[in-house]
Amino acid sequence: EVQLVESGGGLVQPGGSLRLSCAASGFTFSSYWMSWVRQAPGKGLEWVANIKQDGSEKHYVDSVKGRFTISRDNAKNSLYLQMNSLRAEDTAVYYCARGDDIDYWGQGTLVTVSS
Amino acid sequence: SYELTQPPSVSVSPGQTARITCSGDALPKKYAFWYQQKSGQAPVLVIYEDSKRPSGIPERFSGSSSGTMATLTISGAQVEDEADYYCYSTDSSGNHRVFGGGTKLTVL
Repeated sequence: EVQLVESGGGLVQPGGSLRLSCAASGFTFSSYWMSWVRQAPGKGLEWVANIKQDGSEKHYVDSVKGRFTISRDNAKNSLYLQMNSLRAEDTAVYYCARGDDIDYWGQGTLVTVSS
Repeated sequence: SYELTQPPSVSVSPGQTARITCSGDALPKKYAFWYQQKSGQAPVLVIYEDSKRPSGIPERFSGSSSGTMATLTISGAQVEDEADYYCYSTDSSGNHRVFGGGTKLTVL
């Protein structure tokens, strides 16, 4: 059974940093692109970033370029999202998802950016 | 930046057919995917590559794509199908993914 478990969310002040993690199990992690998707309170889904199987290719939505970094550790079956220079508009539930053509989702972790 | 456009809401009576559209300039060459999200839950894939249905998804869910529009059809919609539905695809470069704005389906 595919499982994706996010962690690392919480309350952070504007301008601060946070690192999200996603622990994957139930499939061969190193064989899949992986993605991060977010959902602001009461709003729709927004694709944030994705990363190729070996980490050699990464893509970001324009609004996070230069502030967020996606990475992975295939030995640990883990996906990460380093978020710097956080803004109020980054407040959202962040989902880890399998694939660039997404087929499975985690349950999400809430990030709140507020003073 | 690339956009996918969905109607904000669709309403049908139980047993009727619900159709949710998604329009985007790159859809003639790029696949559409559809996700169902019920209140307080993570999204679930219901259609992939325009028209394929994952295992476990009821047969009443189907998808199609023609030109710049993809369509999710729920034949004989049930009350339990009430949810937000999102289409998902990529821009012409293939490097940037995007979701449609979402459609709230009401079945009552």
